[in-house]
Amino acid sequence: GQQLNQSPQSMFIQEGEDVSMNCTSSSIFNTWLWYKQDPGEGPVLLIALYKAGELTSNGRLTAQFGITRKDSFLNISASIPSDVGIYFCAGQLGGSGGGADGLTFGKGTHLIIQP
Amino acid sequence: DAGVIQSPRHEVTEMGQEVTLRCKPISGHNSLFWYRQTMMRGLELLIYFNNNVPIDDSGMPEDRFSAKMPNASFSTLKIQPSEPRDSAVYFCASSYAQPQHFGDGTRLSIL
Repeated sequence: GQQLNQSPQSMFIQEGEDVSMNCTSSSIFNTWLWYKQDPGEGPVLLIALYKAGELTSNGRLTAQFGITRKDSFLNISASIPSDVGIYFCAGQLGGSGGGADGLTFGKGTHLIIQP
Repeated sequence: DAGVIQSPRHEVTEMGQEVTLRCKPISGHNSLFWYRQTMMRGLELLIYFNNNVPIDDSGMPEDRFSAKMPNASFSTLKIQPSEPRDSAVYFCASSYAQPQHFGDGTRLSIL
């Protein structure tokens, strides 16, 4: 089946630093999504990308949909303690106007922030 | 607004017992998804429904697993009989086209 390679697996950074993580796939996706998961909770959507080359921001978060449709990255600027958690990329074959289908997830990036 | 609601939040039972997990999707959403999360395999799609109809159940691990969606506001995932290797966090998600929104999951432990 399809697999997403997400890196890095974990990051130890200082508060205030910028963060960058990415996902690559061997096959094409028409939608890329980034979620954050806190302990004991479900994944929460951060950014959704529907168009190749699209660059989208949500506050201090910026994500891009790779032009080949096989990759995406997420950047977090000026990290703060509440950014701690696990970040997941997810790919979906369906586009924004298409029928729903399941997500393929990366294995996650554990973000740990040292004050 | 109410999000996706899952129950129970935690379930501990002995192997061989039947387990039923429940999900109430967000009102107005027409697609519902069941995922399983484990340390080894991460988040995996089990099955999904569009307009209450199962579309893809290729992720269901064995015949011991079954899912139903009798109406637009309720779905169940059943495991019978349960085994220790079924221990995981099970998530339900719903959407209207895009994107998917997740519940807080059911943490299942099979002893």
